[in-house]
Amino acid sequence: DAGVIQSPRHEVTEMGQEVTLRCKPISGHDYLFWYRQTMMRGLELLIYFNNNVPIDDSGMPEDRFSAKMPNASFSTLKIQPSEPRDSAVYFCASRDGDMNTEAFFGQGTRLTVV
Amino acid sequence: RKEVEQDPGPFNVPEGATVAFNCTYSNSASQSFFWYRQDCRKEPKLLMSVYSSGNEDGRFTAQLNRASQYISLLIRDSKLSDSATYLCVVNKAGTYKYIFGTGTRLKVLA
Repeated sequence: DAGVIQSPRHEVTEMGQEVTLRCKPISGHDYLFWYRQTMMRGLELLIYFNNNVPIDDSGMPEDRFSAKMPNASFSTLKIQPSEPRDSAVYFCASRDGDMNTEAFFGQGTRLTVV
Repeated sequence: RKEVEQDPGPFNVPEGATVAFNCTYSNSASQSFFWYRQDCRKEPKLLMSVYSSGNEDGRFTAQLNRASQYISLLIRDSKLSDSATYLCVVNKAGTYKYIFGTGTRLKVLA
C-alpha cells in the first residue's frame, strides 16, 4: 500500500478563495482524521470519520470549514472563504479499529493564504 | 488545563547522552498512549506505543504512570539522527479522538 495520500502538497491561494484538500486513506482503514498543525497551536484534531460517517467535528474552527467522506477511499476538507489565519499544514491520517494501533499520516498539505 | 502537556524544549544534548521527556494528561480514563516522532517539515510517525507495564525498543524506553497521569520517553546513547520533535499522544477516554501534545524538540549535538 502506498500509505495515506494527500493532495496537493502545497497550496497558495488568495484570501476569499475556496480551498479543497484531498485525502486517500490506507485501504481497509475505517477511521480517518483531519489535523491542522501550526507553530502556535501544534497538531489540532479538526474532525474524524468512522466508516465514512463524521463522528466528532468539534475541532472544526468555524462554518467556513467543512469535511466530507463520500466513500471509504476519499475525503475532502474544504475552506470557503479562506483567510490568512487558515495558513497551516493540514494532515490527514487513517487507522484501523484497534484502539492500540497507530494512526498513519499523509505527508500533509502546506496551505498559505495571502 | 490542556488535555495533553509537554515541555516544548529545546533539549540540547551531546551525542551519547541520555535524555528523558515527560508528558502529562488530564483524563484519568484515557486508555491508549503513544510517542510519535516528527522531523522538520515531515509528517508525524509512530515511534512506539506505551503499555501499562512499560516497554523498550532498543535505545528507547517508554513508561506509563497512571497514578500521576504521565508518560515518559527515555532515549539512551543519543545519536545525531535522534534530533526531532517528539509528540505525546493520548486518546480521549472511550473514543478514537487522539490528542497530540505540542511536542518536545530534541537537538543532539556532535
